[in-house]
Amino acid sequence: GAVVSQHPSWVICKSGTSVKIECRSLDFQATTMFWYRQFPKQSLMLMATSNEGSKATYEQGVEKDKFLINHASLTLSTLTVTSAHPEDSSFYICSAPRTAFSYEQYFGPGTRLTVT
Amino acid sequence: AQTVTQSQPEMSVQEAETVTLSCTYDTSESNYYLFWYKQPPSRQMILVIRQEAYKQQNATENRFSVNFQKAAKSFSLKISDSQLGDTAMYFCAFTRPANNNDMRFGAGTRLTVKP
Repeated sequence: GAVVSQHPSWVICKSGTSVKIECRSLDFQATTMFWYRQFPKQSLMLMATSNEGSKATYEQGVEKDKFLINHASLTLSTLTVTSAHPEDSSFYICSAPRTAFSYEQYFGPGTRLTVT
Repeated sequence: AQTVTQSQPEMSVQEAETVTLSCTYDTSESNYYLFWYKQPPSRQMILVIRQEAYKQQNATENRFSVNFQKAAKSFSLKISDSQLGDTAMYFCAFTRPANNNDMRFGAGTRLTVKP
């Protein structure tokens, strides 16, 4: 089956610094990728839709300048949390559909971000 | 707005017995897809079962089956012969082709299978 990877799996950073999370489709090309945020014991909340070669589409309430998304290639999308604060600590998950018209998503293993 | 509601935050079941997790959704779309995902402690999302809204027949995957009631916008998951490895968070999810197939999740149900 299709595989989506994320790197790093766990990152700790200091308040005020920026951290980048990568999402890669390993055996297929993904023109669209999705970024989710999951707080402890809560559901996945869609943050943004990452589109290859164009600007990301952010969900209402998500700060575009804080969560920078870049989808520079068909296999890589990055999420950069800028000027991170402790409240940004969360579990971030990406997903990608197998094809442009596929409704089924393949999920990455997630990245745990801790901001101290 | 498209919403997914899971009204059971926690459930438990004895090993080998059957349990049903409930899910309702709200949409004005006619074309959509429904899913149940399992999230074990590793937090990797695992697809359990999926249902295309245009199909009347309920989906089945081994011990897992759904009761899809389109008019009532209900999509419950039945787990038969529960196993200890079924212990996890279960999320009901909804996606719409008209919106890039972005996925919306319910709040989740924490299922514990007791030996």
